Amino acid sequence: GESVGLHLPTLSVQEGDNSIINCAYSNSASDYFIWYKQESGKGPQFIIDIRSNMDKRQGQRVTVLLNKTVKHLSLQIAATQPGDSAVYFCAENIGTGGGADGLTFGKGTHLIIQP
Amino acid sequence: GAVVSQHPSRVICKSGTSVKIECRSLDFQATTMFWYRQFPKQSLMLMATSNEGSKATYEQGVEKDKFLINHASLTLSTLTVTSAHPEDSSFYICSASRGTSGGQETQYFGPGTRLLVL
Repeated sequence: GESVGLHLPTLSVQEGDNSIINCAYSNSASDYFIWYKQESGKGPQFIIDIRSNMDKRQGQRVTVLLNKTVKHLSLQIAATQPGDSAVYFCAENIGTGGGADGLTFGKGTHLIIQP
Repeated sequence: GAVVSQHPSRVICKSGTSVKIECRSLDFQATTMFWYRQFPKQSLMLMATSNEGSKATYEQGVEKDKFLINHASLTLSTLTVTSAHPEDSSFYICSASRGTSGGQETQYFGPGTRLLVL
């Protein structure tokens, strides 16, 4: 079936630098996208989401960009900190207009912050 | 707000026994809860969708008779792994949604339950 995938499995950045994590999705019907952070042994933590009628959304130190033309999603983290080290997943959903739907997760990118 | 808990956090059981995992939304009512499974160094895979008061909807390849789901109230869903085998060892994670915005709804995840079947 269609799935969400990531370009880079591991990303290493220097503390204080900006990081960009990429995600490609294949289902053109997807209209809701979410980024989650998962630390070892814990459940995913919501970071930021974006709906298909937007191409950019900003949060605290994070920005999500959506390019529907090429079905690409990215997460930018500004001024990375040691606590940002984790695995980051993108997830997609297809809004059916009814009840909530389960998410399709990408493979994940392990972000490593170097001191 | 939007806190989801799971119990137990970790369980070890013998092959052939059944294990029940609870998922609770602590500060909101969850119309819909989801159960995911995550194997080591892999992504989360949706197992089933659970709506309060109705039968769960299972994803393709997930045996409904093996993974029994009960969503008895708006704050509690349980997953029972029946006749567990070593290949069922995994990290089971639930999520909860208020279910008021159709498919575009934030899901809040629990901390996960690590199951080890010996």
